[in-house]
Amino acid sequence: GAGVSQSPSNKVTEKGKDVELRCDPISGHTALYWYRQSLGQGLEFLIYFQGNSAPDKSGLPSDRFSAERTGGSVSTLTIQRTQQEDSAVYLCASSTSGIRTDTQYFGPGTRLTVL
Amino acid sequence: AQSVTQPDIHITVSEGASLELRCNYSYGATPYLFWYVQSPGQGLQLLLKYFSGDTLVQGIKGFEAEFKRSQSSFNLRKPSVHWSDAAEYFCAVGATSGTYKYIFGTGTRLKVLA
Repeated sequence: GAGVSQSPSNKVTEKGKDVELRCDPISGHTALYWYRQSLGQGLEFLIYFQGNSAPDKSGLPSDRFSAERTGGSVSTLTIQRTQQEDSAVYLCASSTSGIRTDTQYFGPGTRLTVL
Repeated sequence: AQSVTQPDIHITVSEGASLELRCNYSYGATPYLFWYVQSPGQGLQLLLKYFSGDTLVQGIKGFEAEFKRSQSSFNLRKPSVHWSDAAEYFCAVGATSGTYKYIFGTGTRLKVLA
C-alpha cells in the first residue's frame, strides 16, 4: 500500500509569506505527527493528532505555526509570516492507532527554504 | 527531561567492517527505544525498536541493537557493513506515559568506503 505522502517536496518562499504544507497519512492510520528537521539538528516534534482528540500542540515553536487535520485524514501545517529560521525539512508521520508501541511511518518530507 | 545523545556525528567504515553506532538516553524509567535510518531523499525507515524483554533486538537489514539499562544506552550494531548502508541513523526515545512524541538524537552520518 501507499506510504505517507507529503507535498510539495520543495518549497521556496520569501520572508514574511505564509506557507501550507500537506500530509497524507497511510490509509486507516488514526495518529499523525509533524516533526521539523533543521540542518545539523535532530528531529523536533511539532504536533500530534489522534483521532478526534484535541491535538498535542506542545512542540509548536511559535503562534505563527498551526496545523489542522480534516476528516481524520489529511493534515495541513501552516506557517504564517515565515522567517529564515523556519527553513528546514518538515516531516510527517502516521501510525495505526497512536498507542506508544505503534511504529511511526514517515513521509519523505517537505524542504522549506525561506529567503 | 528526556534527551537522546548520539555522540558521533560522522562515522566512516570500510565495506565489510563491523559497525557500532552509539546512543545514550536520559529518562526517568525505561523508555521505548527506536533506531531509524534516513537515506538521501528518503523518509525515515524504522530499523528496530525495543519495548521490553530480551535486551538484544534484531531488526531489518541485518542490524541489531542492545539495550543496557546500567549505561542508559541502546547502541546499534551490524557485523558487516554494505555500501548501501551509507545513510544517516537516528536514535529515538518514546515515553511510556504522558506525551506521545518521540525525542530524536541529532543523528550519525555513516560513510562506507569501498
